[in-house]
Amino acid sequence: AQKVTQAQTEISVVEKEDVTLDCVYETRDTTYYLFWYKQPPSGELVFLIRRNSFDEQNEISGRYSWNFQKSTSSFNFTITASQVVDSAVYFCALSGTNTGNQFYFGTGTSLTVIP
Amino acid sequence: NAGVTQTPKFRVLKTGQSMTLLCAQDMNHEYMYWYRQDPGMGLRLIHYSVGEGTTAKGEVPDGYNVSRLKKQNFLLGLESAAPSQTSVYFCASNRGNQETQYFGPGTRLLVL
Repeated sequence: AQKVTQAQTEISVVEKEDVTLDCVYETRDTTYYLFWYKQPPSGELVFLIRRNSFDEQNEISGRYSWNFQKSTSSFNFTITASQVVDSAVYFCALSGTNTGNQFYFGTGTSLTVIP
Repeated sequence: NAGVTQTPKFRVLKTGQSMTLLCAQDMNHEYMYWYRQDPGMGLRLIHYSVGEGTTAKGEVPDGYNVSRLKKQNFLLGLESAAPSQTSVYFCASNRGNQETQYFGPGTRLLVL
């Protein structure tokens, strides 16, 4: 079974604080990909990152960083020095070899950055 | 490139009415998808297509039909709308299995 869990439904932080969004996944596939998407208040879904299961190196892009740990089946997303523009709903998703062409999305974490 | 576009952006229907949502992509992607997004439930796959002339059911296909007559277009039909189909509908496309999906701006549908 494929499943993505984002246990944090809503998070509020004060501007400039760091925040980590958790993503835990379940899969029996040995080859799979993990994704993060951002959905700002305007409603569109914006792609942030795609990682494959064989690459456990952490990735940093500006204020964004991702920590992939196979041992705990987690792919967490950290925003450093948060800004008001980071306020959005963030979705984690999984696509495995045996899921056909389907993505499995978590239920999202709503992040509010307070000025 | 426009990417993925959806028509219309917003629609109000009465129960029992029918309508078609249009998705178009100009990225020459093989695969296309229709999702619905409801509060607290993330994105749920309705139907998808792995190429022109093909369609397949996703997680929540009941009450919807789809067609992919042209590679760049993917239509989602509601034959007899129900209030439970009130939702935001997103179309997405990608090059192939496990590749990044790119989303359209969404269609907000209200069924009264």
